[in-house]
Amino acid sequence: GESVGLHLPTLSVQEGDNSIINCAYSNSASDYFIWYKQESGKGPQFIIDIRSNMDKRQGQRVTVLLNKTVKHLSLQIAATQPGDSAVYFCAEDSPLSGGGADGLTFGKGTHLIIQP
Amino acid sequence: DVKVTQSSRYLVKRTGEKVFLECVQDMDHENMFWYRQDPGLGLRLIYFSYDVKMKEKGDIPEGYSVSREKKERFSLILESASTNQTSMYLCASSFLNTYEQYFGPGTRLTVT
Repeated sequence: GESVGLHLPTLSVQEGDNSIINCAYSNSASDYFIWYKQESGKGPQFIIDIRSNMDKRQGQRVTVLLNKTVKHLSLQIAATQPGDSAVYFCAEDSPLSGGGADGLTFGKGTHLIIQP
Repeated sequence: DVKVTQSSRYLVKRTGEKVFLECVQDMDHENMFWYRQDPGLGLRLIYFSYDVKMKEKGDIPEGYSVSREKKERFSLILESASTNQTSMYLCASSFLNTYEQYFGPGTRLTVT
């Protein structure tokens, strides 16, 4: 969706360095944000999520930061490894017509490239 | 472990053919989704369903239809395939009233 976007389509980092992938969103009423990782030839896989009542959430080697003031979301990957090479998507909750389903609006993705 | 499977990884069809893409999930999810993924455009929602026999249009439903006869299965149908429907098709599922969606591996469809 157009309301969720990424600043850079490609990010190249050295193996072992930290990676920061950024995402901007436009709907200030969004309550839920999620990061997905998509490796070549595979479907997107859940990495980490965060609700709007939080500023930061940590997982294993990953941290998501949410700045509601500027409507900005970032994913930090510590000590980047070759296996981190993938396309990363952010997504925010979006209302869907019809009952029962809760939707996500996806950004266009950032391709993370790991340099040896 | 949630598992979402799609019937084919790669599919090649001719223009005008009727195409069926099948998706099955084994986690008793109420919601199921069909997306297409194109370079530079990200994931775009085609159709979704929140219950058996229920279906709702997403952002780009034109040229597609869906069927949900059983809770675990959600089919995407291209009534008459066209070359502009060449794409990666992703199925996803989730529990009712939750946002986290689980994706299948995708079907890369080429229409010639």
